[in-house]
Amino acid sequence: KAGVTQTPRYLIKTRGQQVTLSCSPISGHRSVSWYQQTPGQGLQFLFEYFSETQRNKGNFPGRFSGRQFSNSRSEMNVSTLELGDSALYLCASSFLQGAGANVLTFGAGSRLTVL
Amino acid sequence: GQQVMQIPQYQHVQEGEDFTTYCNSSTTLSNIQWYKQRPGGHPVFLIQLVKSGEVKKQKRLTFQFGEAKKNSSLHITATQTTDVGTYFCAGQHNAGKSTFGDGTTLTVKP
Repeated sequence: KAGVTQTPRYLIKTRGQQVTLSCSPISGHRSVSWYQQTPGQGLQFLFEYFSETQRNKGNFPGRFSGRQFSNSRSEMNVSTLELGDSALYLCASSFLQGAGANVLTFGAGSRLTVL
Repeated sequence: GQQVMQIPQYQHVQEGEDFTTYCNSSTTLSNIQWYKQRPGGHPVFLIQLVKSGEVKKQKRLTFQFGEAKKNSSLHITATQTTDVGTYFCAGQHNAGKSTFGDGTTLTVKP
């Protein structure tokens, strides 16, 4: 079955702009989580969605937002981009119950560069 | 907030040497997962530990979950160049989100 698909894979923006990233989870996975990865900062949790509802949220400013659609696809948006937002944004999907519960399957990521 | 500390941050070994990375949580975990991220890639799930004192093996990799379910380790025996990458642990507290350690980046010199 298809894996987690993230688009776009690469993008370049300038400060002050906004960006929307998309994530299509594995078929049947209803939980989608977003992470920011920067060199030396590891994987920083942004938020998690399940059945179109935000279940958990990390410690990021309100410029970072997300949503999930009825087909479990998710988008995240970053407004008023700053240089420090340059990072690899990873989406991960998972089941929440049963065998393999909570195991995250990551997409290849969207690499954002802010100039 | 709940944190998972992982050490060391970097490890350089000669091919054939062993490697170990450790994760520690200040609070009891419901489970812990391990992921590997190859250079330029994305994290890939390796294993999940759930039971106190659990030990699991995958070929040259041995995973342990502490008796108190607050710490875990990944040990690689006789490293190979294919083992290079960053190894992350991810601890889950009850039904909450998974908290990732900062990762241990392993380099292997042939």
